[in-house]
Amino acid sequence: SQQGEEDPQALSIQEGENATMNCSYKTSINNLQWYRQNSGRGLVHLILIRSNEREKHSGRLRVTLDTSKKSSSLLITASRAADTASYFCASIYGNNRLAFGKGNQVVVIP
Amino acid sequence: NAGVMQNPRHLVRRRGQEARLRCSPMKGHSHVYWYRQLPEEGLKFMVYLQKENIIDESGMPKERFSAEFPKEGPSILRIQQVVRGDSAAYFCASSLTTDYNYGYTFGSGTRLTVV
Repeated sequence: SQQGEEDPQALSIQEGENATMNCSYKTSINNLQWYRQNSGRGLVHLILIRSNEREKHSGRLRVTLDTSKKSSSLLITASRAADTASYFCASIYGNNRLAFGKGNQVVVIP
Repeated sequence: NAGVMQNPRHLVRRRGQEARLRCSPMKGHSHVYWYRQLPEEGLKFMVYLQKENIIDESGMPKERFSAEFPKEGPSILRIQQVVRGDSAAYFCASSLTTDYNYGYTFGSGTRLTVV
């Protein structure tokens, strides 16, 4: 079964606003990763947060991890039209397998 | 560094034909993973290979699907006697090590359409 599962959402926001999406998982993890997929393209690794970390920043991205609730959130600040994409969280299990959620579709309106 | 290269980008096959999808990992990467993405879905793990070895094929359908990663050349995902349900995007990822505290590098995928 999938270990990473986003709250299935389609977000539509204005450029400059913040976008927040959530992810929950079922079992213990070593890390949680977030990926972006532009329409018709492959996945791009955005950020990885380890199980012993609570918050991590990378540019306009902020990821939080709550292992007690088995959940993570991805915040994109000051969104841009180029941020329009689907965002997936994923966790590692077994033999380096990534388990992906179904993704959040984010549309940033210029 | 050209990244993970997949070809073809788009592949159309008639039902019953064979589909061959190729993946060249990043230079120096010896671990290759194949994932399948159905429309409006997340990616589902299929198989994990190292050079000349299948490490984990627990996500592969039992019939018609096979994968290899030879000593020389790209990794190949082969689908025999394709059916309409095989229509999907197939992504390959590679990694340098088995240290899972690094993100994976994905290719742009092969979009298979079975008509």
